[in-house]
Amino acid sequence: GQQLNQSPQSMFIQEGEDVSMNCTSSSIFNTWLWYKQDPGEGPVLLIALYKAGELTSNGRLTAQFGITRKDSFLNISASIPSDVGIYFCAGQEPDKLIFGTGTRLQVFP
Amino acid sequence: DAGITQSPRHKVTETGTPVTLRCHQTENHRYMYWYRQDPGHGLRLIHYSYGVKDTDKGEVSDGYSVSRSKTEDFLLTLESATSSQTSVYFCAISEVGGDTEAFFGQGTRLTVV
Repeated sequence: GQQLNQSPQSMFIQEGEDVSMNCTSSSIFNTWLWYKQDPGEGPVLLIALYKAGELTSNGRLTAQFGITRKDSFLNISASIPSDVGIYFCAGQEPDKLIFGTGTRLQVFP
Repeated sequence: DAGITQSPRHKVTETGTPVTLRCHQTENHRYMYWYRQDPGHGLRLIHYSYGVKDTDKGEVSDGYSVSRSKTEDFLLTLESATSSQTSVYFCAISEVGGDTEAFFGQGTRLTVV
């Protein structure tokens, strides 16, 4: 079945560094989403993107909807310890969301 | 926080036994979903429901069945649990199908030994 591939699979960074991660699909989506999962919790929506080429920010987070509609990028600036978690991209289909494989982020002080 | 409760939160069961996981919501949302989370695979959709008694398969539905007799409850059943079904299971709800904001429960960690 359809699955979105995320890279990198995991990242280990120092507090204060910037982070970039991406998500690719073999098919087109009209909406891309980014969720974050804190340890021991369910995922929570961070950013939603609705138009190809769109660049959207939410505080230190910036996400872009790729022009081909087959990819998306998430950047985190000036990372802090509470950024630790798993980041998932998701593509919207009728009736459901398809999630990516996830990027696990560890932030060291 | 969206009113979603999953039960049990943790369960250990033996291979071949039936298992039922419950998802209960207090938001009156129409759509409910069951996902499983495994390292390297992310979140994969098992089954979903778009109304009472209306369900459909996701990408990894083999070995699972679901039922939704009331708006607020969505049950996931493993008829005969296998070790490959050891996973963390998440329920999610949304007001509109494929809605951008799906709200997730806290997950159920299932271990099949």
